[in-house]
This record gives sequence, structure tokens and C-alpha cells, in this order.
Amino acid sequence: GEDVEQSLFLSVREGDSSVINCTYTDSSSTYLYWYKQEPGAGLQLLTYIFSNMDMKQDQRLTVLLNKKDKHLSLRIADTQTGDSAIYFCAESIPGTYKYIFGTGTRLKVLA
Amino acid sequence: SQTIHQWPATLVQPVGSPLSLECTVEGTSNPNLYWYRQAAGRGLQLLFYSVGIGQISSEVPQNLSASRPQDRQFILSSKKLLLSDSGFYLCAWISSGPGELFFGEGSRLTVL
Repeated sequence: GEDVEQSLFLSVREGDSSVINCTYTDSSSTYLYWYKQEPGAGLQLLTYIFSNMDMKQDQRLTVLLNKKDKHLSLRIADTQTGDSAIYFCAESIPGTYKYIFGTGTRLKVLA
Repeated sequence: SQTIHQWPATLVQPVGSPLSLECTVEGTSNPNLYWYRQAAGRGLQLLFYSVGIGQISSEVPQNLSASRPQDRQFILSSKKLLLSDSGFYLCAWISSGPGELFFGEGSRLTVL
């Protein structure tokens, strides 16, 4: 079945790096995504990675993809208080129009 | 530019009452439309998606239904709400996939 799992909480100090992890089940997924949700709002795309890539870097964000283990991670360098939010990983299911989201990781950045 | 609107933003309803949440997309045509529900500790659950007018795919058995009466309008309904229907409902669209899903601001439903 389609299932995306994440740890529920992460707490880091301002200036440290944050690493948010995700495991997914559909090995045929072509795209994997990271979304950010501010309190009481909808989700916004942070970054995505194509399945034939191992790594993608975008300013403070680094995405690592391990297809063998079906593991995706998001690293935020120099984490700021404004990074406090819920982070969702998601996969698009090939052959369908479905996007499956994880449980979300609530990141709390301590000043 | 494309925009997505959801309303109402907040809703408090008694058990057994009906529900209608609306979502409208502007600035695009023939989008794929989605309804998700976010409940505490359960992440974002896909409820329905639609690839065209009158075409609805349901992902989970429930007492909710969806309709797409117009190209850019997506409606989530229930005839009789349950306590377990409480949650944050998010509408989203994409012009063609795979790619970025654009989300509305959400509708928070509390069933008492």
C-alpha cells in the first residue's frame, strides 16, 4: 500500500542544522517532495527531487534520497526561528493522479 | 496568476448536521483538484481527487462526498456529520502532473 512515514517532532537550537527524515513505500515514485506548513495555513512546496537523483541542494536546504532504502531526508542548515513549522514529505504515485503525504514533522527552533 | 480560495475558513457544526465546503481555483483551466484532511497525529490524508467535471475518485470510505460541478469548483459535502469528521480540510490543485500541488488556506471544521 501507499504509506509515507515521518517522526512527529524535532527540536533544534537556532543556528544548528535540522534533519527531517521520511520513509516511503512506493519504489516507483518519480518525484518526492518536501512541503512546509505554517501554523493554521495551507502547505507550500519547499523543494522536490527527481527519483534518478541522490541529492539536491537549494540554498540552506539539502535533500538526500536513498532509493534502495526508500528513505528521503531534508537538511536545513543554520536553522532559524522562522523555520519552525510542520514539514511534510510527499510522493507522487506513477500511473495515478495521487499525491500521498506523510504524517508531518513538527520542527521547533529554540532561540 | 493562479489563486485558490476555500470557504468557510472556520466552521463549528453539531453532530448530524450537513456540511458543505467550497474550493475555487482561478487563473487556470482543467486543473486536477484534491481534498485532503489533516487530523492531529495523522498527517495529511487524501480524501478525494478529480481530473475533470463530474469525475471524482474517492480514497477512503467515509460519510463525506465530493462533487465538481464546474471546471474550477470542488465541493466537499456530508449529509450527517460525525465527531470524527473534525479536522483541517485542505483543497489543492495542479495543472498537470507530476509537479507542485498548490494548496488553499484550509477550512477548520469542529464537530460538537
